[in-house]
Amino acid sequence: SQQGEEDPQALSIQEGENATMNCSYKTSINNLQWYRQNSGRGLVHLILIRSNEREKHSGRLRVTLDTSKKSSSLLITASRAADTASYFCATDGNNNDMRFGAGTRLTVKP
Amino acid sequence: EAQVTQNPRYLITVTGKKLTVTCSQNMNHEYMSWYRQDPGLGLRQIYYSMNVEVTDKGDVPEGYKVSRKEKRNFPLILESPSPNQTSLYFCASSLFYLAEAFFGQGTRLTVV
Repeated sequence: SQQGEEDPQALSIQEGENATMNCSYKTSINNLQWYRQNSGRGLVHLILIRSNEREKHSGRLRVTLDTSKKSSSLLITASRAADTASYFCATDGNNNDMRFGAGTRLTVKP
Repeated sequence: EAQVTQNPRYLITVTGKKLTVTCSQNMNHEYMSWYRQDPGLGLRQIYYSMNVEVTDKGDVPEGYKVSRKEKRNFPLILESPSPNQTSLYFCASSLFYLAEAFFGQGTRLTVV
């Protein structure tokens, strides 16, 4: 079963706008990671946030984590057409396994 | 160059014909895993390995086998493929269990 669930399933914005994606999970975690996938290709790691961290930045990416609500958000600022991709959150499971959500499909229109 | 290499990239096979998808990493990573990706379902973990000779079932292990005899290799074996195993498969590795994962480019498998 999936641990993380992204919301929305799909998001379409204009270039220059900000994109926000959310991830909810069910059980306690050690960390939460966000990945990006360009159509049909391998996933690429974006950012990792530990359970004792509340916010993390990497370039135009900002990730927040609220362990009390079991949720995280990924904000991409000043989006570009090249940001068009699917974004997944991943969390550790209970048995050294990894759980991914179904992803948010982001389309950035030029 | 640090990478995870999967082969083949594309494979069409017939029901029941045993096949192996290879995965190799050159980063001396301990943790390796296999995922399948299906539309609307995201990635689901098939098997994972914490280290050499240590493997365990993920979410959807039925119909698959793995082995980890060497640190760098983690092949996925389908003993008797069925059409419901048609999917996009990814191998991934990370330095340890909770670390950033590096993914291979994927293997698109079609079972007819």
